[in-house]
Parts: sequence; structure tokens; C-alpha cells
Amino acid sequence: SAVISQKPSRDICQRGTSLTIQCQVDSQVTMMFWYRQQPGQSLTLIATANQGSEATYESGFVIDKFPISRPNLTFSTLTVSNMSPEDSSIYLCSVVWGLGNQPQHFGDGTRLSIL
Amino acid sequence: TQLLEQSPQFLSIQEGENLTVYCNSSSVFSSLQWYRQEPGEGPVLLVTVVTGGEVKKLKRLTFQFGDARKDSSLHITAAQPGDTGLYLCAGAYAGGTSYGKLTFGQGTILTVHP
Repeated sequence: SAVISQKPSRDICQRGTSLTIQCQVDSQVTMMFWYRQQPGQSLTLIATANQGSEATYESGFVIDKFPISRPNLTFSTLTVSNMSPEDSSIYLCSVVWGLGNQPQHFGDGTRLSIL
Repeated sequence: TQLLEQSPQFLSIQEGENLTVYCNSSSVFSSLQWYRQEPGEGPVLLVTVVTGGEVKKLKRLTFQFGDARKDSSLHITAAQPGDTGLYLCAGAYAGGTSYGKLTFGQGTILTVHP
């Protein structure tokens, strides 16, 4: 089965700094998404990563805070900028293969703690 | 905005008991997924249901999609400690600018005690 790799798996960062999270898939995908999740809670969609164009952000999330790149069909990055303790969370990427009612598949997430 | 109400939020049961988790919405979904997530991992897809009234079985797990495609349930028979985890339902709204996006329920934390 296809592999979705997220790096780093976890990090501890100082407030005011930025961290870039990578999502690499071993085969071309149709869609890529980025989510945020508090431990034990549900997922909140941050944005849809669009290949070759600007990401589509959900309400409450802005490009300046969460810039996203997707240069090709197998790779995307999410940057968490100017971090504060409130940004401490799990960040997950998900992908869709094919079209129609195809499900999303998730990476194992990046556990981010801000001091 | 499509919303999914998932219940119960917490479930603590003894090994061998049966349980049901519900997901309800006022919106129609083109498909609905159920995921299970363990600590330190991403959600793992259990099943996708797309047809109203559809029933799918995965060993001791039975998934049902409502006739109107607005609700779904997950029933576990004879729960085992290995079933412990966070269960998430997620509805897919296909078409237009929302294509491919998932709306997640609040999640159900299941603990099965030996």
C-alpha cells in the first residue's frame, strides 16, 4: 500500500519561531489537505493544498500564519509561522487518490509543542 | 456549512459488551468514512459508505449509512481491549468548491477494559 510520510514526527519550538512540516507521498495523489488536531479531539481542516497554485484556507486560518506549498503531485509543506503556545497541536496531512467518492488517507502527524 | 454530530463522546465498557456510535447531520453527504485513531498515529480508514441504506461489515464492526445519507452508525459486537481508540466519522461533500473536503464528527473515545 502507498506510504504517506510526515516530517518531523514531533518537535519542541520556541515561541516566535517558525516550523515547516513536510508531507511526502510515494505515488501521485489527486488532493492534499492539512489538518490540526488537539490530542483526543477531532480534526479541524486548515486548508486544501492546491498543486501549482495558492492553497484554499478554511475560516479562521490565513496564509500569513500557515503558508502552504504543493509544488507537485506527491509533496506538500505546511509552515506554522511566528508560533505561540496556542499553536501546540498535532498537524496532519491527508491525501486522496483518484476522483469521485475516494476517501482521505492520513499521515501519522507532527506533534508540535511551543514553549 | 455541513455539521456532523457524533455521539457518545466517551464510552467506557467491559470486554465482551456491544456498543454503537452514531453520527447525524442535517446535510446530505455523498459518502461517509469511519476512521480509528490510536495515540501517536494518524487516523486509519475503516470503511467508506456511499449508498443510502448501505450496510458494511468488517469482522465485529458493522457500519450503516442512513437511507437519506444524513446519518451513520458504527456497531461493535463483543468489544475487545484492542478496539480501544478514537473513532471518527467524516462526511464527504462532493462537488463545487467543497470537492473532496471532509467534515468530521467530534469523535468518540472508546475504552474497553479487560
